[in-house]
Amino acid sequence: ETGVTQSPTHLIKTRGQQVTLRCSSQSGHNTVSWYQQALGQGPQFIFQYYREEENGRGNFPPRFSGLQFPNYSSELNVNALELDDSALYLCASSKVSGGGETQYFGPGTRLLVL
Amino acid sequence: GQQVMQIPQYQHVQEGEDFTTYCNSSTTLSNIQWYKQRPGGHPVFLIQLVKSGEVKKQKRLTFQFGEAKKNSSLHITATQTTDVGTYFCIYDAAGNTGKLIFGQGTTLQVKP
Repeated sequence: ETGVTQSPTHLIKTRGQQVTLRCSSQSGHNTVSWYQQALGQGPQFIFQYYREEENGRGNFPPRFSGLQFPNYSSELNVNALELDDSALYLCASSKVSGGGETQYFGPGTRLLVL
Repeated sequence: GQQVMQIPQYQHVQEGEDFTTYCNSSTTLSNIQWYKQRPGGHPVFLIQLVKSGEVKKQKRLTFQFGEAKKNSSLHITATQTTDVGTYFCIYDAAGNTGKLIFGQGTTLQVKP
């Protein structure tokens, strides 16, 4: 196990609703990245947080937002849910040291939007 | 931007056969990482390659980074049913920052 936990494990929402997903990083890691993985596809980078600041963003609209807390845990918020937001949401933690950080992935949250 | 293409997309092999997946980039990569995702699971880090021409082995798995740092391969010798899953080669978009760009990966099925 990686020591990265996510909650909830599964979630069902309806279109237009808002959702908050949570991630607890591995001890000692100061960076959290979030990915969206649609069925049959590779994970797509959403954004990364380093020391509570957004540190890069992929091609996702502003209704995808996040937070990182002083204990380095993180939240992913998605507003105005759309059907296409149905996916596995993965968070990955790492410790930035300037030299090829290994990403430790959590088990993911499976979101279904109806 | 950089594009990393991985082939094949799917591979079915008989248990005991060898398997290879290839990654090709249009530009030079600073590093490449390999991850494995079991069905229903999450990506798990396998290895990172940084140096030109680098070869690393993990038991039956052999990883190579091309001399020009534009391609990489993963070779599995004598596949087992435990090797089933999707193998992703990915690169760090901003250079060692963890902003990983995944492709579709290669999904391996092993028939017992």
